[in-house]
Amino acid sequence: DTAVSQTPKYLVTQMGNDKSIKCEQNLGHDTMYWYKQDSKKFLKIMFSYNNKELIINETVPNRFSPKSPDKAHLNLHINSLELGDSAVYFCASSHSGAPKYFGPGTRLTVL
Amino acid sequence: EDQVTQSPEALRLQEGESSSLNCSYTVSGLRGLFWYRQDPGKGPEFLFTLYSAGEEKEKERLKATLTKKESFLHITAPKPEDSATYLCAVLNAGGTSYGKLTFGQGTILTVHP
Repeated sequence: DTAVSQTPKYLVTQMGNDKSIKCEQNLGHDTMYWYKQDSKKFLKIMFSYNNKELIINETVPNRFSPKSPDKAHLNLHINSLELGDSAVYFCASSHSGAPKYFGPGTRLTVL
Repeated sequence: EDQVTQSPEALRLQEGESSSLNCSYTVSGLRGLFWYRQDPGKGPEFLFTLYSAGEEKEKERLKATLTKKESFLHITAPKPEDSATYLCAVLNAGGTSYGKLTFGQGTILTVHP
């Protein structure tokens, strides 16, 4: 039983392309997040949704757009990919407060 | 701005050799301090939340403690399967802070048999 799942696990693409990462949680949590882990392993929050409502929108280029069709799903769409977008992106969920369950991550490589 | 600094960056132990990891933090108001474990190629796994100075929590060979300036993760008689990166993070008490954790850079723990 996977609590938080992400697809794809790996994503390799060319600069300028548009791509999406999908996230689903089966824990019944009301809050979902997107975190980015850079090459130095720092985790930084990008977005947070509570009951499908955007509540945290950090200083992230507007090429990144989250979408939450329902409480169990939070997708991340990225337009016009740049080299600097290469990182590992983690989805997470919780009952408000701080994220307790993270997905396995999506390693994005932009060539 | 909230800051979290973890030390050491890397720690190598022999199996059974107890030690501690440090997490120093600066936050305007602490709602909680969190410890996670991250294995290579996987997402962070939640370990503990500490809310106030003096609080302690234990799980198997791990014990987390909290003061007003830092937290320690004590590892007693570690085993090779404890090898991982340990992440510390703080949650600010102010504003809309849902999930807005500030993470440290982690300590890479390697336990040799």
